[in-house]
Amino acid sequence: AQTVTQSQPEMSVQEAETVTLSCTYDTSESDYYLFWYKQPPSRQMILVIRQEAYKQQNATENRFSVNFQKAAKSFSLKISDSQLGDAAMYFCAFMYNNNDMRFGAGTRLTVKP
Amino acid sequence: DAGVIQSPRHEVTEMGQEVTLRCKPISGHDYLFWYRQTMMRGLELLIYFNNNVPIDDSGMPEDRFSAKMPNASFSTLKIQPSEPRDSAVYFCASSKLVPSTDTQYFGPGTRLTVL
Repeated sequence: AQTVTQSQPEMSVQEAETVTLSCTYDTSESDYYLFWYKQPPSRQMILVIRQEAYKQQNATENRFSVNFQKAAKSFSLKISDSQLGDAAMYFCAFMYNNNDMRFGAGTRLTVKP
Repeated sequence: DAGVIQSPRHEVTEMGQEVTLRCKPISGHDYLFWYRQTMMRGLELLIYFNNNVPIDDSGMPEDRFSAKMPNASFSTLKIQPSEPRDSAVYFCASSKLVPSTDTQYFGPGTRLTVL
């Protein structure tokens, strides 16, 4: 069974600094997809970034980038130049084949001004 | 596009009552998902549809829960009878046919409180 683990329930970062959120997963599959979602207080789930497992190059979206280590089954999210609007819950998610997406427990990110 | 639309945004009901949550997926999306989010269990997939047909309902907690998708633009999640432990935020999400080119887009959620 696919599982997703986020070992950091809470993280804090100073505005304009960089923070890295950790995520590990467990699967026997070789082809799958990984995502980071942001959930602000409005509860809306917003896609931040996605990564295809067959791609070696790490995905990047503006200030957001990932460090994808397939052998280690690790998928961390780096937020550069943190902004107050980045404060939210961040969920790591895994998807394979049948559209069944599994989520981690989430990391609450606080951004200090 | 307006995105995934859910209604109501908030629902408060009493134990034993029937509750119906509604979802309108993004036009052109072939998959529709229902999730439940609680503090204890996080985000859980309840059921998903492909082209209006239920594909996997193994996440539905029990027979009190049922979901339908009568057409490509509308789905309902019904709880009958409701219980306090059903209190949660329920999300609907949709995606296109090919998962390699798209991901799931979430609605704003419905916060359900069962007294």
